[in-house]
Amino acid sequence: DIQMTQSPSSLSASVGDRVTITCRASQSISRFLNWYQQKPGDAPKLLIYTASNLQSGVPSRFSGSGSGTDFTLTISSLQPEDFATYYCQQSSSIWWTFGQGTKVEIK
Amino acid sequence: QVQLQESGPGLVKSSETLSLTCTVSGGSIRNYYWSWIRQPPGKGLEWIGNMYNTGSTNYNPALKTRVTFSVDTSKNQVSLKLNSVTAADTAVYYCATVGRDAYGEASNIDNWGQGTLVTVSS
Repeated sequence: DIQMTQSPSSLSASVGDRVTITCRASQSISRFLNWYQQKPGDAPKLLIYTASNLQSGVPSRFSGSGSGTDFTLTISSLQPEDFATYYCQQSSSIWWTFGQGTKVEIK
Repeated sequence: QVQLQESGPGLVKSSETLSLTCTVSGGSIRNYYWSWIRQPPGKGLEWIGNMYNTGSTNYNPALKTRVTFSVDTSKNQVSLKLNSVTAADTAVYYCATVGRDAYGEASNIDNWGQGTLVTVSS
């Protein structure tokens, strides 16, 4: 199966900071990469699909890029409501896999 | 988007079968692909599998021998059964709809239920 590795596992940032999270696949997945946000006690929420497409209703400060094996999620200006855990997930294989998550904490 | 509500026993004994139901409102289950995902307490997400409106399924290879998905169209429900459970199966279980790409292929998980915690006891 395809392994997804996120870095960092956690980060501390301040409101207004630019934040970048990286996701690396163990083999090429083209652009079949999605990003989710999960706040404590809540279900995950789809942010970005197919590497760079913003899900309806998601603020434009979120963006995604990449192809092949290396992908990034960028938050251009971190807002208080963005403190959460972020997961990448590949849908290239018929067996989907998630990254281990990146927790974004308040500095 | 449809509303999803997972239900089932919150406590299951080790070696028994975990059975969960996802009741769907606001749309017919026939119109969607379905996914189950789980999350052990304090840990990350694990994809359990997908079920397509043809009835075909893809299961996580690590769970394939123990998991079964099914649908009840008369009740507009999708279900998950996981047999021979152990403490490692303790998790919040989510049902979700599968978003499709422009070619109709399964692409992402676009609508999640609130999840239900299942604890496996010895």
